Amino acid sequence: DVVMTQSPLSLPVTLGQPASISCRSSQSLVHSDGSTYLNWFQQRPGQSPRRLIYKVSNRDSGVPDRFSGSGSGTDFTLRISRVEAEDVGVYFCMQATHWPRTFGQGTKVEIE
Amino acid sequence: QVQLVESGGGVVQPGESLRLSCAASGFTFSGFGMHWVRQAPGKGLEWVAFIRYDGSNKYYIDSIKGRFTISRDNSKNTLYLQMSSLRVEDTAVYYCVKGALVGASDFDHWGQGTLVTVSS
Repeated sequence: DVVMTQSPLSLPVTLGQPASISCRSSQSLVHSDGSTYLNWFQQRPGQSPRRLIYKVSNRDSGVPDRFSGSGSGTDFTLRISRVEAEDVGVYFCMQATHWPRTFGQGTKVEIE
Repeated sequence: QVQLVESGGGVVQPGESLRLSCAASGFTFSGFGMHWVRQAPGKGLEWVAFIRYDGSNKYYIDSIKGRFTISRDNSKNTLYLQMSSLRVEDTAVYYCVKGALVGASDFDHWGQGTLVTVSS
């Protein structure tokens, strides 16, 4: 199975400051079709997960442009340009290239 | 808008069975694959199973193979997860998730989840 490793697991941030979460996979996430199926999800307290980013860097509809995704191969990053109070929650990366689909452990973002 | 509404969760004893359902609306259910993803209390997300749009292919995580069966009824716009020989470690919120083999529509919509508690 592909192991997804996130860091840090806890991320205290100051409102208005940037934040960055790393996600590394144990194998390349490049699919045989040439695409890289790496997603990012946000889970606010008490809510279901919500997809933010798909295929490494594509923002979902309604996702603020302060969220961005980047990376390639086995190394990926989610960035929040200026953290707002509503960004508090747990962020997960997930690979959808290989079976079984696997998630990172989650990164808890909280306001300092 | 896309809606996924899970039901069927509850408290059962180890070894018992349970069937989860997910009622889908707001999209052409028969045109999309579907996933089940679970989350143990206070823990991370774990993908459980996937079924193709027409039910022709199914994928499972190893820990539930032979115990859980994913199925769908496209005439009723409903996804199922039949769970048998339940274990304490199957305790989790189970989410129904709209999906695809690959692509932009994979994991784009999640239900609110249904809690399964396995306890003696």
